[in-house]
Amino acid sequence: SQKIEQNSEALNIQEGKTATLTCNYTNYSPAYLQWYRQDPGRGPVFLLLIRENEKEKRKERLKVTFDTTLKQSLFHITASQPADSATYLCALSPSNNNDMRFGAGTRLTVKP
Amino acid sequence: NAGVTQTPKFQVLKTGQSMTLQCAQDMNHNSMYWYRQDPGMGLRLIYYSASEGTTDKGEVPNGYNVSRLNKREFSLRLESAAPSQTSVYFCASSPRRGSGELFFGEGSRLTVL
Repeated sequence: SQKIEQNSEALNIQEGKTATLTCNYTNYSPAYLQWYRQDPGRGPVFLLLIRENEKEKRKERLKVTFDTTLKQSLFHITASQPADSATYLCALSPSNNNDMRFGAGTRLTVKP
Repeated sequence: NAGVTQTPKFQVLKTGQSMTLQCAQDMNHNSMYWYRQDPGMGLRLIYYSASEGTTDKGEVPNGYNVSRLNKREFSLRLESAAPSQTSVYFCASSPRRGSGELFFGEGSRLTVL
């Protein structure tokens, strides 16, 4: 069966360091992979999208990589700040329909 | 700039009662979704609608029905609520199939006693 796994439930890092979150998938061939941020009691908010033929995407302090051979995406936040503390979700979708599936998320805490 | 609006925000039901969660978007998006979110399990897709008049089952459709009333509105109905349906429900919309980012509502917290 299809499975999407994010590396850990929680990740604690010191302010200023780079946070690296992992998303692994099995029995799936996504055309698109997205990352979302979710704050407590709120709906997820879109951050970045990367296509299967792209290796890397950047947006300000965020970087996403997508390795279809390893079936893995890495999400990096550089120069992390306490305001980056949230749960981060990865989501995968095929090219031709709307069946978008999410991982369980990683709760990131950035300590001052 | 309402985006995606869900009602109600909170609801408590007794086992066997029925209710409808309402969702409306004002962004002229074609695709709409219903997810449920449970601790440790992430967001699970219940139903989605690629366009007005069409609906498709997602990962966990049992016990739910949906209606795409028009382009703006996508409702989720629980005909006979069960404690296993206690969850936070999120509606989302997207401008494009597959490659479109999702815009989420703020969620509806449902408790079934």
